[in-house]
Amino acid sequence: DGGITQSPKYLFRKEGQNVTLSCEQNLNHDAMYWYRQDPGQGLRLIYYSQIVNDFQKGDIAEGYSVSREKKESFPLTVTSAQKNPTAFYLCASTIPGLAGHNEQFFGPGTRLTVL
Amino acid sequence: AQKVTQAQTEISVVEKEDVTLDCVYETRDTTYYLFWYKQPPSGELVFLIRRNSFDEQNEISGRYSWNFQKSTSSFNFTITASQVVDSAVYFCALINNAGNMLTFGGGTRLMVKP
Repeated sequence: DGGITQSPKYLFRKEGQNVTLSCEQNLNHDAMYWYRQDPGQGLRLIYYSQIVNDFQKGDIAEGYSVSREKKESFPLTVTSAQKNPTAFYLCASTIPGLAGHNEQFFGPGTRLTVL
Repeated sequence: AQKVTQAQTEISVVEKEDVTLDCVYETRDTTYYLFWYKQPPSGELVFLIRRNSFDEQNEISGRYSWNFQKSTSSFNFTITASQVVDSAVYFCALINNAGNMLTFGGGTRLMVKP
């Protein structure tokens, strides 16, 4: 089955620790995205990558870092510099379309809680 | 700059009622794409529909229908004969043709009571 997997589903970390969220896709999609969702709010873009070894900051990149060493993987590190990291994190991917932007496919999400 | 507004933060209906979720957008581009996603309690976003700015035909898919009105910059979503399984948060989103970032509205939480 093709899709996007995120692990873990729930993650707890102590204040001041870095933590890495995993995102893997076997859809052969070129572009991948990380979003943050806070309770009762929409999604905000953290980082995106359109091709391997390249990524761009989104609207709220401060305190986060990413890498894109393989097409199928786009891990997100939440660093200690992120002041309010407790949130729901969603990974997505898409493939460039000949007729413009295609829909993004989303993973199941990781709920991060800072203790 | 682009913006998506979903003014209804929460809607509650009784099963079998029809319900319309509003979406108003702002963009300076003439070519853009609009999307609707459903987020059930499990959290994963499920794609519902994609519409480009040159296609103003309304669309119906089973109990779902979408009304795209460029004149009012709106892309509203109607669920006919709602069911409890329709309970979820629904997001409207926009991306310009030259852009790389999808802009989401704040979402509308729909609760369908039996």
